[in-house]
Amino acid sequence: GIQVEQSPPDLILQEGANSTLRCNFSDSVNNLQWFHQNPWGQLINLFYIPSGTKQNGRLSATTVATERYSLLYISSSQTTDSGVYFCAVVRDAGGTSYGKLTFGQGTILTVHP
Amino acid sequence: DTEVTQTPKHLVMGMTNKKSLKCEQHMGHRAMYWYKQKAKKPPELMFVYSYEKLSINESVPSRFSPECPNSSLLNLHLHALQPEDSALYLCASSQLVREKLFFGSGTQLSVL
Repeated sequence: GIQVEQSPPDLILQEGANSTLRCNFSDSVNNLQWFHQNPWGQLINLFYIPSGTKQNGRLSATTVATERYSLLYISSSQTTDSGVYFCAVVRDAGGTSYGKLTFGQGTILTVHP
Repeated sequence: DTEVTQTPKHLVMGMTNKKSLKCEQHMGHRAMYWYKQKAKKPPELMFVYSYEKLSINESVPSRFSPECPNSSLLNLHLHALQPEDSALYLCASSQLVREKLFFGSGTQLSVL
């Protein structure tokens, strides 16, 4: 199956700092999503971004599908950004993939006040 | 309404009990999913329903039985679970399979 690697595994920031999270994947994908899981377990979809660049407030994401990686940028971090960030992909199997998202292991982000 | 609602939020059950987890969405999504998540691990796919038909079963033990009564509801029936089945069970939905996924807040299950 497809391999998804996220880096760094852990990240500690002071409030106001910027950060970049990376997601590498081992095969062609037709679906890439970034999620934030807060300390209470709720998973929030941040971006659906199989290619290109998107921005949403202080967050932005870029996926370079041809080079098999995606980046999530967090600017001016806040304590509420703490939690686990997951990248998840669906391998491009010529239209026969049925929506099985493969998740990376996540990046644990801690933002201190 | 952009929510996926799961009940109950917490569940404690014995190994001989039968219980059900419920999930509801009113976004008109035609794909619904069950995921299992252990502490400090990513979610793992269990089942996928597309247009109310089971399209993926990730070799889940038969003590977990999914049901999709209609396009808005998804149930997970639990019977004779083991302590190692204790986990956060997450329901999700998307407009169609392979599209943007929306998760519920989960049911934290403890099996004693």
